Amino acid sequence: EVQLVESGGGLVQPGGSLRLSCTASGLTVSSNYMSWVRQAPGKGLEWVSMIYSGGSTYHADSVKGRLTISRDNSKNTLYLQMSNLRAEDTAVYYCVSGYGNSLKWGQGTLVTVSS
Amino acid sequence: DIQMTQSPSTLSAYEGDRVTITCRASQNIDSWLAWYQQRPGKAPKLLIYKASSLESGVPSRFSGSGSGTEFTLTITSLQPDDYATYYCQQYNIYMWTFGQGTKVEIK
Repeated sequence: EVQLVESGGGLVQPGGSLRLSCTASGLTVSSNYMSWVRQAPGKGLEWVSMIYSGGSTYHADSVKGRLTISRDNSKNTLYLQMSNLRAEDTAVYYCVSGYGNSLKWGQGTLVTVSS
Repeated sequence: DIQMTQSPSTLSAYEGDRVTITCRASQNIDSWLAWYQQRPGKAPKLLIYKASSLESGVPSRFSGSGSGTEFTLTITSLQPDDYATYYCQQYNIYMWTFGQGTKVEIK
């Protein structure tokens, strides 16, 4: 059974940094495209970042230069390094993996940016 | 960016009703479309992938159709468990985009 478990969320001050992790079981992170999707309180879903199996990465314009996606193949773990955080980055962050023609989602981790 | 236009934004229906939600893409996405159900405080739950494939464990009253730019999610007989918000998502290219959501309410 595929499982994606996010961790690392919490309360951080504006301008601060945080690193989110997504540990996968039942699939190999390096063999699938992996993404981060976020949802601000009471809002819809927003794609944030993508990393392909070959290592190419892409980020939404709203986070470019501040949020960076990466992975550790030896730990089968996906990361989102978040820096220079703003109030508008407050959201639940979900880890999503391609899985054949389908998609698998984690349960999310909440990031709150507030002083 | 590929824009996803979902309609209606709110839908009121009785238990047992047939319900249809539409999603339109601003350009051709072949069949790379997913549908989700989301309840308050919970992660999105995948219902349909590749436009018409039913995710394992999802009741057969849910079905998806369409290709190219026009897509539909149908619930054949609405159950109490189905009152939730539904989203479509294109995953044709890496810049995934989502519809704005359809809230299904009790009539």
